[in-house]
Amino acid sequence: DSGVTQTPKHLITATGQRVTLRCSPRSGDLSVYWYQQSLDQGLQFLIQYYNGEERAKGNILERFSAQQFPDLHSELNLSSLELGDSALYFCASSVATGTYEQYFGPGTRLTVT
Amino acid sequence: GENVEQHPSTLSVQEGDSAVIKCTYSDSASNYFPWYKQELGKGPQLIIDIRSNVGEKKDQRIAVTLNKTAKHFSLHITETQPEDSAVYFCAASMGRDDKIIFGKGTRLHILP
Repeated sequence: DSGVTQTPKHLITATGQRVTLRCSPRSGDLSVYWYQQSLDQGLQFLIQYYNGEERAKGNILERFSAQQFPDLHSELNLSSLELGDSALYFCASSVATGTYEQYFGPGTRLTVT
Repeated sequence: GENVEQHPSTLSVQEGDSAVIKCTYSDSASNYFPWYKQELGKGPQLIIDIRSNVGEKKDQRIAVTLNKTAKHFSLHITETQPEDSAVYFCAASMGRDDKIIFGKGTRLHILP
């Protein structure tokens, strides 16, 4: 158990809908990262927040957004969902910024029908 | 941007034998190289990492080597056991923007 929690574990929704994925980092970690894992694209970095501020952006679509709250939990919002958004979404946390170890949560499996 | 290539995509070894997974990276500014193990239905688990000021690091049956000149790094698992069966990912990071770029993964099968 990495200490990172994610909810929900599974999510099934229809095209065009909006969903919110939630992540709680390990106790004491200030950085949260979001990744998408699909069969054809592997693990893709989406976005990072550090202590409430956006720190780095990867291949995140404009339909996707994230935020980190004062209690350091983070939410990833996915809107206007398409079939191709079906994937595993992982959250990871690290103690700070820079090349620190990232610890992954168990993931949320999103299925768009 | 950084690109990480990982080989092989699938690897089968007899229980007790050694397994080696190799990765190359493109950006010489990369300075942090973690390895993750992902079991079915779980998130990636950090198993070992190495920084660019070190050539080799060992942790029990797992070792990682780094050749900065060639931009290669490898994971070595000795005395493999059934519980080593999983997908292994190498990754590289430059640190300045905190992005970790992952390889495509290696599915390791330990044969009885």
